[in-house]
Amino acid sequence: SAVISQKPSRDICQRGTSLTIQCQVDSQVTMMFWYRQQPGQSLTLIATANQGSEATYESGFVIDKFPISRPNLTFSTLTVSNLSPEDSSIYLCSVEWSANTGELFFGEGSRLTVL
Amino acid sequence: AQSVAQPEDQVNVAEGNPLTVKCTYSVSGNPYLFWYVQYPNRGLQFLLKYITGDNLVKGSYGFEAEFNKSQTSFHLKKPSALVSDSALYFCAVRDMMRLTGGGNKLTFGTGTQLKVEL
Repeated sequence: SAVISQKPSRDICQRGTSLTIQCQVDSQVTMMFWYRQQPGQSLTLIATANQGSEATYESGFVIDKFPISRPNLTFSTLTVSNLSPEDSSIYLCSVEWSANTGELFFGEGSRLTVL
Repeated sequence: AQSVAQPEDQVNVAEGNPLTVKCTYSVSGNPYLFWYVQYPNRGLQFLLKYITGDNLVKGSYGFEAEFNKSQTSFHLKKPSALVSDSALYFCAVRDMMRLTGGGNKLTFGTGTQLKVEL
């Protein structure tokens, strides 16, 4: 299994600012995923981040709002830009440990509150 | 498109009694099915998965799940619930036919809050 570290674990931000969330994995992985979990709701995939290429965004999510970096096989960042209270959520990083199993491992999440 | 349904927002069980958390799915191909658990203020922890083979799969903490292709279900079960099992449980599906390329996302259900009481 993979050990996934996310920073920050929680933050409170002002409207209009941006927050960058870091995800560090203890092993090299090909695919990394960013999910959003809004209060009381399920997880929604924001984008898939592969090293060396642009992230692939799901419907309803755009690069200007959620820019993603994937500089190497163990690290990724998600930025949530121009924050509004509606962005208050838990943001989760996950990795695919084995392409043959389809199983994902998740970080502890980053809880964002926008005032 | 793939989807997952968890028909119960909350399940209440007395400690020591068996528990079942329901999940049904829809995919165009054969499914990879998963159960994850989320404790308060924590990320998701993997419980178990079904890929192929025996329809009854066993996972962490004494949980098991039964894959039923005809009913497109993958219900989570435990013979004897513990208070410490109280958490939010998510069922998820990936379409095996789309595991590579651009369609390999994991789709989650809405979650079921399990409450085990003394």
